[in-house]
Amino acid sequence: SQQGEEDPQALSIQEGENATMNCSYKTSINNLQWYRQNSGRGLVHLILIRSNEREKHSGRLRVTLDTSKKSSSLLITASRAADTASYFCATVVTSGTYKYIFGTGTRLKVLA
Amino acid sequence: EPEVTQTPSHQVTQMGQEVILRCVPISNHLYFYWYRQILGQKVEFLVSFYNNEISEKSEIFDDQFSVERPDGSNFTLKIRSTKLEDSAMYFCASITRTGGETQYFGPGTRLLVL
Repeated sequence: SQQGEEDPQALSIQEGENATMNCSYKTSINNLQWYRQNSGRGLVHLILIRSNEREKHSGRLRVTLDTSKKSSSLLITASRAADTASYFCATVVTSGTYKYIFGTGTRLKVLA
Repeated sequence: EPEVTQTPSHQVTQMGQEVILRCVPISNHLYFYWYRQILGQKVEFLVSFYNNEISEKSEIFDDQFSVERPDGSNFTLKIRSTKLEDSAMYFCASITRTGGETQYFGPGTRLLVL
């Protein structure tokens, strides 16, 4: 598997439901970030969690990080149709410089 | 709020032609990146640039690619002789300092090589 793999690849839910996306990685990281991408647009940063943190909240977003399992999850609560997008995790590793490695993405569709 | 801008938004070119993709990062940012995303696929790292030189590049970034920061504001990606497989979205991103902070992405340039 590659550094930064999200699952599921695609997720379809009803408005108001919660959406959970997972990210697994292989190497030690400095931090892990989640980004959102609307179709055909640039990525927008959502939240950053450092390697010494276990959980972080931002509005309707909740991110967890388990460095022992090398995995992270992004929970979007009370989803809205406007949350429809692709979500990517990015692991930040240090190898002389700071390198951002993006995962394969989860395509979320929220049905109204 | 400051933002990263990219031009052009779309570029169509013939195979073998040179293209230059332009980016204007946020003014006080120090690290600059280029990524590409083939339609519907993952975001792939191409190159990072700091202090007027390449700090890291991926195996994708071969001799056909080059980057430049010609005037302290623009950051360009040049593809010397485009191939069909270079068709993708190209994103520029920047961060304010070292430390693996938030990357700010531009809206992308959609490159189509015919």
